[in-house]
Amino acid sequence: DTGVSQNPRHKITKRGQNVTFRCDPISEHNRLYWYRQTLGQGPEFLTYFQNEAQLEKSRLLSDRFSAERPKGSFSTLEIQRTEQGDSAMYLCASSLALAPNTEAFFGQGTRLTVV
Amino acid sequence: KQEVTQIPAALSVPEGENLVLNCSFTDSAIYNLQWFRQDPGKGLTSLLLIQSSQREQTSGRLNASLDKSSGRSTLYIAASQPGDSATYLCAVRPSGTYKYIFGTGTRLKVLA
Repeated sequence: DTGVSQNPRHKITKRGQNVTFRCDPISEHNRLYWYRQTLGQGPEFLTYFQNEAQLEKSRLLSDRFSAERPKGSFSTLEIQRTEQGDSAMYLCASSLALAPNTEAFFGQGTRLTVV
Repeated sequence: KQEVTQIPAALSVPEGENLVLNCSFTDSAIYNLQWFRQDPGKGLTSLLLIQSSQREQTSGRLNASLDKSSGRSTLYIAASQPGDSATYLCAVRPSGTYKYIFGTGTRLKVLA
């Protein structure tokens, strides 16, 4: 297993376009998280899945954002009608649910630039 | 509301120095605390996870301590090397939640 995988690594899009990112977690991990990170800041929580159920969403996740994890494996994050303020690094993480092995592992991120 | 602060924001040291990075959090009701390393433009690499019942964890030249009652954690790096240059992020998982709250990080530069 090579860890958490995110695609694409970079995305440049025009304002108003829709974009979709994919995250493949570590295979046995049933928890999956999405975070957003802007320059000079720490990551901010967006949403969390346990298996296929989306259990928590941040208020940062506006109506233009939607995340899915249809079969409890990979996840997608879609941003509709992108705005310049959406430019950021989008990070995915996964972990096991069973304590004490709840360490979170992050992917390399998808850097989004909205022009 | 849980807030996480990291001091200093940036640090530049000569190679070989032992150094301490600080993390403080406002609410002691945490499930665990995790330290990460982030290289420029990259994702996060997990360094150490400390459960709320633990006082410290060690991995190689790294030692992290946790004082939950005072809302503090420190990351100690022994015999620093230029390859340690990166941003170090502290994150707490509040009790009753599954998300992590991050600090803004300490940017470390180790000079050869």
